[in-house]
Amino acid sequence: AQRVTQPEKLLSVFKGAPVELKCNYSYSGSPELFWYVQYSRQRLQLLLRHISRESIKGFTADLNKGETSFHLKKPFAQEEDSAMYYCARILGYNTDKLIFGTGTRLQVFP
Amino acid sequence: NAGVTQTPKFRVLKTGQSMTLLCAQDMNHEYMYWYRQDPGMGLRLIHYSVGEGTTAKGEVPDGYNVSRLKKQNFLLGLESAAPSQTSVYFCASKKLAEHTDTQYFGPGTRLTVL
Repeated sequence: AQRVTQPEKLLSVFKGAPVELKCNYSYSGSPELFWYVQYSRQRLQLLLRHISRESIKGFTADLNKGETSFHLKKPFAQEEDSAMYYCARILGYNTDKLIFGTGTRLQVFP
Repeated sequence: NAGVTQTPKFRVLKTGQSMTLLCAQDMNHEYMYWYRQDPGMGLRLIHYSVGEGTTAKGEVPDGYNVSRLKKQNFLLGLESAAPSQTSVYFCASKKLAEHTDTQYFGPGTRLTVL
């Protein structure tokens, strides 16, 4: 079964420290991968997708097919980055279903 | 545009009661999804729909039914609620055209089954 694994439930850092939220996926050709974020009391929203190769709010994520990873990185964490982060991949191109990882809560302390 | 809305926001049920959660979207999206979010388990797909009049099972469909009678609405029903269905339920929608486009999520419905 295709899976998305986020090994860390909680990641705590101080403001200004680098952040890396890990995401690994089970190998299956060319995956379509995303990072979604859920801030406190807000709805889930897209942060970035690998196909766009973009940087959003200072975050980047590179697809590493050799390691089957799509880790989310930010060089200098900010307090407002505190949120729940979910890695996801498309499962089924006729339905665009997403399969999500279990999520990592990022806490950024002042 | 209101985007994706969900009704109700909160609900408490007793075991065995039934209820329907309503999801509405005003973006003319073809695809709609229902997820449940549980601590330590992420979001899991319950049912989904690729168009008006069509529905399909997701990862955890047992105990739920859905209907998509109108393109803009996707209903999630619990016929006989169980404590294991205590969760936060999210609806999402997506347009057909580009499969790497994002799903748009509703604000969630917090359901407690006693």
